[in-house]
Amino acid sequence: GQNIDQPTEMTATEGAIVQINCTYQTSGFNGLFWYQQHAGEAPTFLSYNVLDGLEEKGRFSSFLSRSKGYSYLLLKELQMKDSASYLCAVGYYGNNRLAFGKGNQVVVIP
Amino acid sequence: DAGVIQSPRHEVTEMGQEVTLRCKPISGHDYLFWYRQTMMRGLELLIYFNNNVPIDDSGMPEDRFSAKMPNASFSTLKIQPSEPRDSAVYFCASSLSNRAYEQYFGPGTRLTVT
Repeated sequence: GQNIDQPTEMTATEGAIVQINCTYQTSGFNGLFWYQQHAGEAPTFLSYNVLDGLEEKGRFSSFLSRSKGYSYLLLKELQMKDSASYLCAVGYYGNNRLAFGKGNQVVVIP
Repeated sequence: DAGVIQSPRHEVTEMGQEVTLRCKPISGHDYLFWYRQTMMRGLELLIYFNNNVPIDDSGMPEDRFSAKMPNASFSTLKIQPSEPRDSAVYFCASSLSNRAYEQYFGPGTRLTVT
């Protein structure tokens, strides 16, 4: 089974940096994945980490520590369009299922 | 290219009725996933297929739910009989086998059972 924990909501100012944390407890771990979901829309894939360390992708970076069961998504130079829910998901060896956390709602204000 | 297509986008039905949700994956994708999303439970995987074969249906809540994939371009999720607790947004997603975790989601079907 799995236990994926994310804080529920945060507010940040346009242009700022925000860090969204995700902790997990699971067996057979095979990667940590981040998805963005705007209100009323479908989730869209953002990034993934399989090995420990930081992956950078434009304004978004994602970090993973497998020994600590911890990941974060860093959003830089926040824009109004970044207001969304950010879902972390755990992948498993031996199959291609993803287990999603409930998401962290980020509200960007001017 | 067209993304994942789902129909209907909205469905309102009465308890006890049969509901059929439809999905057309992205052409060439060999994985197809059905998810359900609610405020209380978040995004839950119901079932997924690889090359039209069901691989893992452990998330299907009970016998009232069934899913089929008769060919590479079409899948259905059926609920019979429907109950108010089935009210949720149902998403279909597809992916390629060499990037199975990078899933492309359809717009979802918002189901309301009264």
